[in-house]
Amino acid sequence: EPEVTQTPSHQVTQMGQEVILRCVPISNHLYFYWYRQILGQKVEFLVSFYNNEISEKSEIFDDQFSVERPDGSNFTLKIRSTKLEDSAMYFCASNEGEYQPQHFGDGTRLSIL
Amino acid sequence: DQQVKQNSPSLSVQEGRISILNCDYTNSMFDYFLWYKKYPAEGPTFLISISSIKDKNEDGRFTVFLNKSAKHLSLHIVPSQPGDSAVYFCAASARDYGGSQGNLIFGKGTKLSVKP
Repeated sequence: EPEVTQTPSHQVTQMGQEVILRCVPISNHLYFYWYRQILGQKVEFLVSFYNNEISEKSEIFDDQFSVERPDGSNFTLKIRSTKLEDSAMYFCASNEGEYQPQHFGDGTRLSIL
Repeated sequence: DQQVKQNSPSLSVQEGRISILNCDYTNSMFDYFLWYKKYPAEGPTFLISISSIKDKNEDGRFTVFLNKSAKHLSLHIVPSQPGDSAVYFCAASARDYGGSQGNLIFGKGTKLSVKP
């Protein structure tokens, strides 16, 4: 069964450094998403992406965050200058369209020191 | 922000019996609801969904019931198996008037333990 893949599984970065989290969505999916889960808290929506542009973003997704689909397969989340509070699990998801379930990757654990 | 609430942090059930996981929501604009299962160190795995035009959806051992007037949905697992032991998340979305897909709002999850 096709699946969403995320790399790396764990990323350790110094505060203030830039980090790029990578995702390969399921190949025939059109909508792409990033979520995060801070330890002990809910899974929270960050951003959705369709037709090469952001379709929706949350208050969390400020100017430090950006997303890109650099080629036909990858979908990336960049955090420009990481803060301690960016430490979380980051999940990528994708789906085919409206009222279709989002399928999630196994996440990247981001640890900011 | 508690738009989606799962009030039971944990549930323990005997193998072979029914597991009932509950979820309440406050936003009447939600029109699509999903249940996900999550094992440690893995991402959420989609289980079953229901749109607001239905009140029941069934897939094998899993059935989701939606009560719009009560803003309540539940997931029934029959019969429960030890492999069902995981954290179960309820999620909801609302398609906005612009027609965008809608992000998922998650509950905090319920940890299900199925005892052999």
